[in-house]
Amino acid sequence: AQSVTQLDSQVPVFEEAPVELRCNYSSSVSVYLFWYVQYPNQGLQLLLKYLSGSTLVKGINGFEAEFNKSQTSFHLRKPSVHISDTAEYFCAVTLGRAGKSTFGDGTTLTVKP
Amino acid sequence: DAGVTQSPTHLIKTRGQQVTLRCSPKSGHDTVSWYQQALGQGPQFIFQYYEEEERQRGNFPDRFSGHQYPNYSSELNVNALLLGDSALYLCASSPTDRNTEAFFGQGTRLTVV
Repeated sequence: AQSVTQLDSQVPVFEEAPVELRCNYSSSVSVYLFWYVQYPNQGLQLLLKYLSGSTLVKGINGFEAEFNKSQTSFHLRKPSVHISDTAEYFCAVTLGRAGKSTFGDGTTLTVKP
Repeated sequence: DAGVTQSPTHLIKTRGQQVTLRCSPKSGHDTVSWYQQALGQGPQFIFQYYEEEERQRGNFPDRFSGHQYPNYSSELNVNALLLGDSALYLCASSPTDRNTEAFFGQGTRLTVV
């Protein structure tokens, strides 16, 4: 079975500063990796995903993530955050293209002016 | 394309009652998955429907059941509601065997009192 650990439950950061949200996973087989964003009282919006190929994945809103197989990590980064990036961020893994998704407990990103 | 639509958006039920939540998948998607997201946690997989049958199931009791119709829309039923069933229920749709391309709805907020 796979599991996901988001290492920081809350990340406060000032506007225009860089940010990294950390995600580690465990799985005995290859998985697909995702980052989602959730704004208050809304569903999940896909930021980016890693399926195969280049380990650096670029997503929407200026976010990117790097897949590191040896460290089983998939950290999310943004070089300069905005107030509007304040939200809950979830890392998820899927076993196989038809498999269920397993989510971490989320990281609350708060961008302060 | 309306994307994934869920109804109702909010509802309040009393312990012991039964509830039905509904989901219409994105156009072209035939697979529907349901997730429960308790407050402060990540979504947890309940089950997945494909070709009107439950294909995968997470660690949820039999009080949680579902149905998929020929038009691919789906229902989640929960019997004998408990206070702990209070959560945001998310529906995700995807094309056949491509859960890596899932889209999420806005969710139904269920409060059990």
